[in-house]
Amino acid sequence: GQQLNQNPQSMFIQEGEDVSMNCTSSSIFNTWLWYKQDPGEGPVLLIALYKAGELTSNGRLTAQFGITRKDSFLNISASIPSDVGIYFCAGQNNAGNMLTFGGGTRLMVKP
Amino acid sequence: EAGVVQSPRYKIIEKKQPVAFWCNPISGHNTLYWYLQNLGQGPELLIRYENEEAVDDSQLPKDRFSAERLKGVDSTLKIQPAELGDSAVYLCASSRRTGIYNEQFFGPGTRLTVL
Repeated sequence: GQQLNQNPQSMFIQEGEDVSMNCTSSSIFNTWLWYKQDPGEGPVLLIALYKAGELTSNGRLTAQFGITRKDSFLNISASIPSDVGIYFCAGQNNAGNMLTFGGGTRLMVKP
Repeated sequence: EAGVVQSPRYKIIEKKQPVAFWCNPISGHNTLYWYLQNLGQGPELLIRYENEEAVDDSQLPKDRFSAERLKGVDSTLKIQPAELGDSAVYLCASSRRTGIYNEQFFGPGTRLTVL
């Protein structure tokens, strides 16, 4: 079964608001990843984090790799309607060939 | 560059019937993955291929599920016979090792409904 606990499970926010979601694990991962999945599509990579403590931005997205290597968070600033979707965190194993996904955070944005 | 292609996109079958899903990975990607995604959950790995070899199939229910990747390119995932609990989205992904991380590119998935 899945080992990553993702919170919150869902969020309903107003356009323009900032969003924060997090992911915790019982295991250490060497790489943390954040994906977005739109309805009827596969997940698409948003941000990859390779180093404990690392803070990485991609446009309005910012993600951090926790110091303990057991957690990560994703922030979205100034949300827009196209941010709607399900956001998944994923931890990657040492060999770099296996992903463990969280349960996802469903984001809804009201225009 | 074309993405990962999967077909069919949707499949509805009755329980106990067989079903097969097909995946064409991105050209040049030697690693291929099949994932199961239940409603409201994240993807879970079923099997991983390195070229034509299945190197991790520990999560594949082998009594009814089988997969193959002949010639190390396209892959087929089969369920026989299907059960009600198999209703889910089946995702295929592929990757090519570059640096310390193998980015996995996902296909759109096949949504299976078992009645």
